[in-house]
Amino acid sequence: EAGVVQSPRYKIIEKKQPVAFWCNPISGHNTLYWYRQNLGQGPELLIRYENEEAVDDSQLPKDRFSAERLKGVDSTLKIQPAELGDSAVYLCASSLRFTSSYEQYFGPGTRLTVT
Amino acid sequence: TQLLEQSPQFLSIQEGENLTVYCNSSSVFSSLQWYRQEPGEGPVLLVTVVTGGEVKKLKRLTFQFGDARKDSSLHITAAQPGDTGLYLCAGEVRGQNFVFGPGTRLSVLP
Repeated sequence: EAGVVQSPRYKIIEKKQPVAFWCNPISGHNTLYWYRQNLGQGPELLIRYENEEAVDDSQLPKDRFSAERLKGVDSTLKIQPAELGDSAVYLCASSLRFTSSYEQYFGPGTRLTVT
Repeated sequence: TQLLEQSPQFLSIQEGENLTVYCNSSSVFSSLQWYRQEPGEGPVLLVTVVTGGEVKKLKRLTFQFGDARKDSSLHITAAQPGDTGLYLCAGEVRGQNFVFGPGTRLSVLP
């Protein structure tokens, strides 16, 4: 079974430029998460989707970040415009909604460098 | 404010040694998870603990959830170089959202 797929794996952009990350969750997983992981830190939740609905986006900086999950499968996270402080690894994870363990499966992440 | 603290931040040991890493909080969690993350990869779930005082074993790894469900420990027996990685704990809040600690970076030298 394929795991969570993310692309690109690496991205280098100049500040003020836009950037987008793509995530394809495990087939059948209706819950999708986007996390940001700064160097030396644990992942921080940005947004959680249940199917196509964003049920928790309280930590998403909405002035420059946006996300969508059309048709409740793939998801895209966008930053526009990017700032130097946005340099981090952006992780996507998915899980089955109705499991007691809430086991999250993570993708390999996209490492963003803003110069 | 860091909801979860992990200690030590870094740990370097020789192959065959035992070690314990800790995850602490002032908050009560419905459940707590431990992950291992290797460079360039996403975290991989090792275990979920739900009941206060619960102990789970995964080969050479022993996980314990505190009685008050505020803290947890991970003990590794006879560490191997393959155990090297970043160990993250994550506490469940608000139903299906998890807050991660900063991690313990473990290096096991052959």
